[in-house]
Amino acid sequence: GAVVSQHPSWVICKSGTSVKIECRSLDFQATTMFWYRQFPKQSLMLMATSNEGSKATYEQGVEKDKFLINHASLTLSTLTVTSAHPEDSSFYICSARDPNLMTGARQPQHFGDGTRLSIL
Amino acid sequence: GIQVEQSPPDLILQEGANSTLRCNFSDSVNNLQWFHQNPWGQLINLFYIPSGTKQNGRLSATTVATERYSLLYISSSQTTDSGVYFCAVGGAQKLVFGQGTRLTINP
Repeated sequence: GAVVSQHPSWVICKSGTSVKIECRSLDFQATTMFWYRQFPKQSLMLMATSNEGSKATYEQGVEKDKFLINHASLTLSTLTVTSAHPEDSSFYICSARDPNLMTGARQPQHFGDGTRLSIL
Repeated sequence: GIQVEQSPPDLILQEGANSTLRCNFSDSVNNLQWFHQNPWGQLINLFYIPSGTKQNGRLSATTVATERYSLLYISSSQTTDSGVYFCAVGGAQKLVFGQGTRLTINP
């Protein structure tokens, strides 16, 4: 089945640094990937939709200058948290649609294992 | 946008019991998925079920799209079934997650 790999699994860094998280589709090409954020004991909230070769689409309330998304190839999307602060500490998860099943919006999403980000 | 409600929010059962988790959604959808999030945060894909019924071992799911709800059944629960179960539904593009059902299976 479709596999999505996310790296790193966890990051601890000082306030003010920038952190890059990678999301790769290992055995399929993904023109669209999604980035979610999950705070403790809460649900997943979509942050942005990453489109290969074009600008990402951000959800309302998500700062695009804070969370930079690059989708330069059909198998890789990156999320960079710039000048991270303690309030950015969270669990970040990416997903990609499986193009081998159904078409368009009916394609199921497969998720990476997530990145736990802690900003000190 | 689409609203997703899951019930119950919490469920505590003894090992061996059966359970039914419900997901109500507010609009017609193209995509509905059930996930199990384990204690390490991994989202395990259980079912892709925008309509109809599917079964996988002790788990089964039914979605009645015309009535805008989906049910996840877990039979003969095991302690490893503990975790949070999420229903996520999608319309044109993105998935919207419910708040989840936290299931605790006691030995």
